[in-house]
Amino acid sequence: DAMVIQNPRYQVTQFGKPVTLSCSQTLNHNVMYWYQQKSSQAPKLLFHYYDKDFNNEADTPDNFQSRRPNTSFCFLDIRSPGLGDAAMYLCATSRVRGYEQYFGPGTRLTVT
Amino acid sequence: GENVEQHPSTLSVQEGDSAVIKCTYSDSASNYFPWYKQELGKRPQLIIDIRSNVGEKKDQRIAVTLNKTAKHFSLHITETQPEDSAVYFCAALHNAGNMLTFGGGTRLMVKP
Repeated sequence: DAMVIQNPRYQVTQFGKPVTLSCSQTLNHNVMYWYQQKSSQAPKLLFHYYDKDFNNEADTPDNFQSRRPNTSFCFLDIRSPGLGDAAMYLCATSRVRGYEQYFGPGTRLTVT
Repeated sequence: GENVEQHPSTLSVQEGDSAVIKCTYSDSASNYFPWYKQELGKRPQLIIDIRSNVGEKKDQRIAVTLNKTAKHFSLHITETQPEDSAVYFCAALHNAGNMLTFGGGTRLMVKP
């Protein structure tokens, strides 16, 4: 019954080595979000897609990119991970604007 | 933009007691206020939400109250149980956009 699926659950990458995290959803929701969550902090929105319309948060580093090839899938690309990018990355979806968001289980990224 | 303050940052209660977590928001145009529970290493899970046209909402042991005039909302958990121990996040959603602004989180510990 998984609704928002993230792969992998744990990812280890080397400093500067590009990495891609994936999210898929079975809810057919229009909106998909990527959040970064560091230990003991609230999730921080990086960007979101409303259908194919990409919306980047002003303070999201250029190092982070996203792709949404279709309704079901969304990818987070980190072009050159730094030690400060180690975090939990959460994908979320919502049906339309202003409705509840459903979170995936997250991908814990470690940068060595 | 929206700013959400959450208090307290940590809360310890005895099993069976009530717990109250409070949040204030800054943007009077925000109209949707969810509460998420996040257990260690897991995804945030929506536990209750309220929209601005309602003053109170209850679901079994959990209730949320909203005071639009004062721009604050609160989570009330009655008859707390050890499994209620988690980090709780409040959030506010602005009607015009998709962005949830989260509070800083409250670590609730329920002692048996």
